[in-house]
Amino acid sequence: EAGVAQSPRYKIIEKRQSVAFWCNPISGHATLYWYQQILGQGPKLLIQFQNNGVVDDSQLPKDRFSAERLKGVDSTLKIQPAKLEDSAVYLCASSLDGGAGNTEAFFGQGTRLTVV
Amino acid sequence: GQNIDQPTEMTATEGAIVQINCTYQTSGFNGLFWYQQHAGEAPTFLSYNVLDGLEEKGRFSSFLSRSKGYSYLLLKELQMKDSASYLCAVRRTGANNLFFGTGTRLTVIP
Repeated sequence: EAGVAQSPRYKIIEKRQSVAFWCNPISGHATLYWYQQILGQGPKLLIQFQNNGVVDDSQLPKDRFSAERLKGVDSTLKIQPAKLEDSAVYLCASSLDGGAGNTEAFFGQGTRLTVV
Repeated sequence: GQNIDQPTEMTATEGAIVQINCTYQTSGFNGLFWYQQHAGEAPTFLSYNVLDGLEEKGRFSSFLSRSKGYSYLLLKELQMKDSASYLCAVRRTGANNLFFGTGTRLTVIP
């Protein structure tokens, strides 16, 4: 079974520039999550989709971050404009049924963003 | 709101047993997860508890006490490859997403 695919693996941009990350979840997984992991910290949820609808975006800085999941499969996360504090690993994860029971979330390898 | 506390770092000897503790406060609880994360890699699922008690899976066991807001991950017969960060996460009711702690970085020494 193919895992969660993310691209790019690494990205370096200057502050105030824009950047986009792409995620392809495991086939058949209805729920998709974007997490931000700053060095030395645990992952922090940015946004959660169920199919193509947003379930939770309470911690998404909406003045600069946006995400979409058209057709309920792939997703993109965009930052515009980027700030130095956005330097982090952006992890995409997916789960089969939205987290009921012991269904775990499967994580992609992440995109390491450095803002200079 | 939510809060998770776990030790920042631990060191243990190859072949030994180590227990990583996690205490949590949450307004709605729907299960506790442990993930392993090697440096530069994605978190991978280790265990899940929703009822009180011990869940055993090979060299790894996880315990939960909901009344105390407490869990631990027990690793037996430690191997060098167990050197990693161990993330405790609480699944919240409603949206059913995971709130993670900052993780415990375990170093296994010969």
